[in-house]
Amino acid sequence: GAGVSQSPSNKVTEKGKDVELRCDPISGHTALYWYRQRLGQGLEFLIYFQGNSAPDKSGLPSDRFSAERTGESVSTLTIQRTQQEDSAVYLCASSLSNGNTEAFFGQGTRLTVV
Amino acid sequence: TQLLEQSPQFLSIQEGENLTVYCNSSSVFSSLQWYRQEPGEGPVLLVTVVTGGEVKKLKRLTFQFGDARKDSSLHITAAQPGDTGLYLCAWRKGDYKLSFGAGTTVTVRA
Repeated sequence: GAGVSQSPSNKVTEKGKDVELRCDPISGHTALYWYRQRLGQGLEFLIYFQGNSAPDKSGLPSDRFSAERTGESVSTLTIQRTQQEDSAVYLCASSLSNGNTEAFFGQGTRLTVV
Repeated sequence: TQLLEQSPQFLSIQEGENLTVYCNSSSVFSSLQWYRQEPGEGPVLLVTVVTGGEVKKLKRLTFQFGDARKDSSLHITAAQPGDTGLYLCAWRKGDYKLSFGAGTTVTVRA
């Protein structure tokens, strides 16, 4: 596709339910990032993929959070047993992996846990 | 861990005024990127600065990288309402993760 696509754009879920967020990066981009952005705040790093491997998962806030990437393309971020503090916008970005290349962001998924 | 500190956190000015936002660290960067995020959108890259002392201009936006490559600033001349947004600086080491500062929220009142 022309840009990074995320789905759904909005998700409202009940506390305790599992949710799955999807990211379709730009074709050919080997690096993929997930960030969380709480209301009025900056970007909090969650996880980074290089190809299908995740060399840095240090930002995942708890074991309820997991992510995978397949075919060096689509990535899914799964949050199990959602809590109200998980409410945020989840942003995905992709880039070519080398040097100072630009990271392209999707529009994000706004997750609301009620 | 390289920590990017951005200041001020919030800035509200009248249309036509100038503003400067800052991105600082105690560590040396190989390069820095500046992004702007408009409400409801993902961040978009504005510029990458690489060389110490470098100055880049993008219309009314002027970006400067400190001589020691530890800090950067973004200056906007004659701000317009369309400049409203969250301004983020970011750093990436080689192929590693892209790390962001907390950002400066700029509001330009008409």
